[in-house]
Formats: sequence, C-alpha cells, structure tokens
Amino acid sequence: EPEVTQTPSHQVTQMGQEVILRCVPISNHLYFYWYRQILGQKVEFLVSFYNNEISEKSEIFDDQFSVERPDGSNFTLKIRSTKLEDSAMYFCASSRQGFSTDTQYFGPGTRLTVL
Amino acid sequence: SQQGEEDPQALSIQEGENATMNCSYKTSINNLQWYRQNSGRGLVHLILIRSNEREKHSGRLRVTLDTSKKSSSLLITASRAADTASYFCATVNNAGNMLTFGGGTRLMVKP
Repeated sequence: EPEVTQTPSHQVTQMGQEVILRCVPISNHLYFYWYRQILGQKVEFLVSFYNNEISEKSEIFDDQFSVERPDGSNFTLKIRSTKLEDSAMYFCASSRQGFSTDTQYFGPGTRLTVL
Repeated sequence: SQQGEEDPQALSIQEGENATMNCSYKTSINNLQWYRQNSGRGLVHLILIRSNEREKHSGRLRVTLDTSKKSSSLLITASRAADTASYFCATVNNAGNMLTFGGGTRLMVKP
C-alpha cells in the first residue's frame, strides 16, 4: 500500500540554524499538510498546500516557516532560524481531496531537537 | 477554548473488554475523524463521520456523533493488546479548511 515517507527520522540542530524537513506524499495525492506535536501535547495543524500554493496556515506558521514542492514528488518544510520551542515531532500528510471529503495519510514523522 | 477534548485521558482495560472514548468539541463541524497513534509513531486514520451522520462502523470500531451535544464516541469492541495506543479525535471546521486535534486518550489493553 502506498505510504507517506519522511526524512530524516531524527534531526538535531543548534538554535538559530536552518532546517529542512522532507516528505514524499502519496503519488496521486493533491493536498499536502504539515503538523507538529510537541512532546506530550496535541497534534497541531501548521499548513496546507494545494496547487503549488499555501491554502491555509495556522498562527504557528509564522515567517520562520516556509513550504515548497520543489519537484513532482517532494514536499518540504523549512524552518529558517530554529528556536528551542521548535523541538517537536513534525508530521507530513497528504490526501487526494481536501479536509472535508477525504482521509489524510500521515507519514511517520521527523523528530526535531533544537539545542 | 479548545476544540476536540477527549475523555478519559487514560484508560486501562483487560483484553476482550470494550473500550469507549469520548470527544467533545465547541464549534460547528464539517466532519469528525478518529486517529490512532502508537507510541512515537505517525497517525493512522481510523474513521471519518460527517456532520449529517449519527453512527458509523468499521470492523470492531463504532463511532457515534451527536451534533446537538457536540460530542462523539469511539467504541472498540473485544479489545486486543495490539489496540494499545493513543486515540485522537479531530474536527474539520465548516469551511473545510482546518483540522483540529484533541488531546487524546491513552488506551492500554492488558493481555
């Protein structure tokens, strides 16, 4: 069965550094998402992406964050200057259609640790 | 205010028993979804119930939705040790552009 993949599984970085988290969504999916989950807390929506542009973003998704679909298969989340509080699991998800009609498939996550 | 709050926060049962988890939310929704997460792993979609539906089944899972009470329940029948995981409800708003997760219920099924 097709699945969403994410790399790396664990990323350690120094505060202030830039990180790029990578995701390969399911190939025939059109909608892409990033979520984060701080240890012991809720999963939080960051951003949704459709037709090569951001369709929705949450308050968390500030100017430090950006997303890109650089080619036909990858979907990336960039954090420009990491802060300690960015330490979390970051999940990518994809779906054929949007939130209101279709199941989202989640990747296994990237654990980001900011020191 | 928080959208999607589950109770109980933790539930421990014996294998073979049924497990019931509840979710309450505050604003109108397009649909409500239940997810499962094994420790340190990604989320697995279990079931989606639309705002005009009242009950849905999938295998050993039964989900109900009461929009007048803004609540949903997930019932796992004849639980197995492999059902041990965290279970989250998530609501999609009326505009259909935001998915908001609750805090989850940690279920432990003892063999």
